[in-house]
Amino acid sequence: EVQLVQSGAEVKKPGESLKISCKGSGYRFDSYWIGWVRQMPGKGLEWMGIIYPGDSDTRYSPSFQGQVTISADKSISTAYLQWSGLKASDTAMYYCARPKAAAAYAAFDIWGQGTMVIVSS
Amino acid sequence: EIVLTQSPGTLSLSPGERATLFCRASQSVRSSYLAWYQQKPGQAPRLLIYGASNRATGIPDRFSGSGSGTDFILTISRLEPEDFAVYYCQQYGSSPWTFGQGTKVEIK
Repeated sequence: EVQLVQSGAEVKKPGESLKISCKGSGYRFDSYWIGWVRQMPGKGLEWMGIIYPGDSDTRYSPSFQGQVTISADKSISTAYLQWSGLKASDTAMYYCARPKAAAAYAAFDIWGQGTMVIVSS
Repeated sequence: EIVLTQSPGTLSLSPGERATLFCRASQSVRSSYLAWYQQKPGQAPRLLIYGASNRATGIPDRFSGSGSGTDFILTISRLEPEDFAVYYCQQYGSSPWTFGQGTKVEIK
């Protein structure tokens, strides 16, 4: 079964750093892009960026460029989303997702369960 | 960046009725790389339609997508109780990929 399993919920203080993970299984991890999507409380979906674990080619939305870092370790089939200085406005659910085809230009058909990040003093 | 505008914001309908949801792009979506997702409270989104009109695996045929260029439509022919949810369109033809703001389909 193809699946993405994300790390657990996090509660952090403003200014702290954080790295959340997304582990793929049931398919060749280094052959499919992995994207990250933010959903703030009660709001819609926002595309943050996408990475190709095979060569770490990464694309960011301008809205998130410089605010987060997307990375991947293909040896352990895991993608990451990290912050170096969290803000209260980073409070959100974060989903990783995999396109249905081994190409960047494909819809997301496999989604992780989401990681809730709460940033509060 | 392509901006997707969904309408209406909320659709109030009864089970058995037809739902028509719209998604308009600020510029043409390349190769009809347009998807529709369904999201229920507390759940991750689920892919319904890709390539503007292709149903994803396991999606009932009451869901259909159409359109090209800048105007796209998701139709639910007869609403079932489990279809009341929020629906998002997404374009994945031009970076950054973008989502619409969502349409909530609620029980009337």
